[in-house]
Amino acid sequence: KAGVTQTPRYLIKTRGQQVTLSCSPISGHRSVSWYQQTPGQGLQFLFEYFSETQRNKGNFPGRFSGRQFSNSRSEMNVSTLELGDSALYLCASSLETGRNTIYFGEGSWLTVV
Amino acid sequence: AQTVTQSQPEMSVQEAETVTLSCTYDTSESDYYLFWYKQPPSRQMILVIRQEAYKQQNATENRFSVNFQKAAKSFSLKISDSQLGDAAMYFCASCLAGGTSYGKLTFGQGTILTVHP
Repeated sequence: KAGVTQTPRYLIKTRGQQVTLSCSPISGHRSVSWYQQTPGQGLQFLFEYFSETQRNKGNFPGRFSGRQFSNSRSEMNVSTLELGDSALYLCASSLETGRNTIYFGEGSWLTVV
Repeated sequence: AQTVTQSQPEMSVQEAETVTLSCTYDTSESDYYLFWYKQPPSRQMILVIRQEAYKQQNATENRFSVNFQKAAKSFSLKISDSQLGDAAMYFCASCLAGGTSYGKLTFGQGTILTVHP
């Protein structure tokens, strides 16, 4: 079956703009989580959604937001982009909780100029 | 809060040899899961192996096995018969089984593994 799909794969934005990234989980998976990966900070948890509800949130400013739709697809949005938001954004999905294996997508590369 | 520490920024191994990557973690919870993920240059995070904390038996997946020492909070990965395709960044990660930490993986800093032919 298809894996976790993230779009777009690469994008370049200008400071002050906003961006929306999309994630389609593996069929049947209801939990979707997002991570930011940078050389300096490593992999950091952004938030997790389950059945359209945000269940957990990492330590990121309010400029970072997300949502999940009834088909479990998820989007994350970053408003008022800053240079430091340049990163690889990874989406992961699992059946329900950490009791199940967590699978990752290929990521969305965001460059802010 | 959980923390995961990988003390080896880089490791190298000869093809066909065995290498062990170290990982320590800290948590006050009793029900959690531990993972090793591989991230090749393509940056796709690939699950290597998964360990459930309540299981005494160490997990194995073909050439990959772990040494899970719960009391010491240690979770090392052993790669046997190393292959060139094993070269990647390896991340150790933990996840609580429930509570308010659903779906939240805490990652270590990563270990870059180089495999020499």
